[in-house]
Amino acid sequence: AQTVTQSQPEMSVQEAETVTLSCTYDTSESDYYLFWYKQPPSRQMILVIRQEAYKQQNATENRFSVNFQKAAKSFSLKISDSQLGDAAMYFCAYRSYADSNYQLIWGAGTKLIIKP
Amino acid sequence: DAGVIQSPRHEVTEMGQEVTLRCKPISGHDYLFWYRQTMMRGLELLIYFNNNVPIDDSGMPEDRFSAKMPNASFSTLKIQPSEPRDSAVYFCASSSRGVAFFGQGTRLTVV
Repeated sequence: AQTVTQSQPEMSVQEAETVTLSCTYDTSESDYYLFWYKQPPSRQMILVIRQEAYKQQNATENRFSVNFQKAAKSFSLKISDSQLGDAAMYFCAYRSYADSNYQLIWGAGTKLIIKP
Repeated sequence: DAGVIQSPRHEVTEMGQEVTLRCKPISGHDYLFWYRQTMMRGLELLIYFNNNVPIDDSGMPEDRFSAKMPNASFSTLKIQPSEPRDSAVYFCASSSRGVAFFGQGTRLTVV
């Protein structure tokens, strides 16, 4: 069975600085998706970025980028130029590529604090 | 598109009462998921549907929980009778081509 581990329960960063949130996963599959979701105090889960395992290029969305290391089964999220609005819980998630399995496997989350 | 719409946003009910949570998925999405989130257990998948058909309900905690999807634009999660330990945030999410989009959740408090 697949598992997702986020080893940092909480991280803090100064506004405008860069922070990296870590995520590791375990799977025997070769094709899969990885996601980062953000949950601000408003509690809605918002998709931040996604990565297909077959793509070697790291995904980027504006200030958010990932460092995807397939062999190491690592999928970290880098937030550049941190803003107060980035304060939230961040969840890493895994999904099999198989059409028959749309379940997301979730990490425990990392609480990100932005210091003004 | 307005995104996934859940109602109500907040629900407070007395133990033993029936609670119905509602969800309208994004139009065109063929998967619908119900999740429960608590501090102790994190995000738990309760049940998911594909083209209105329940595929996996192994996460439904007890027979007190039931979910239906009568058509592509509506789903309900019912708890009858409700208990204080059911207090949580319940999320509905819909998906197409692998990416899940979430509603704002319903915060349920059972007193």
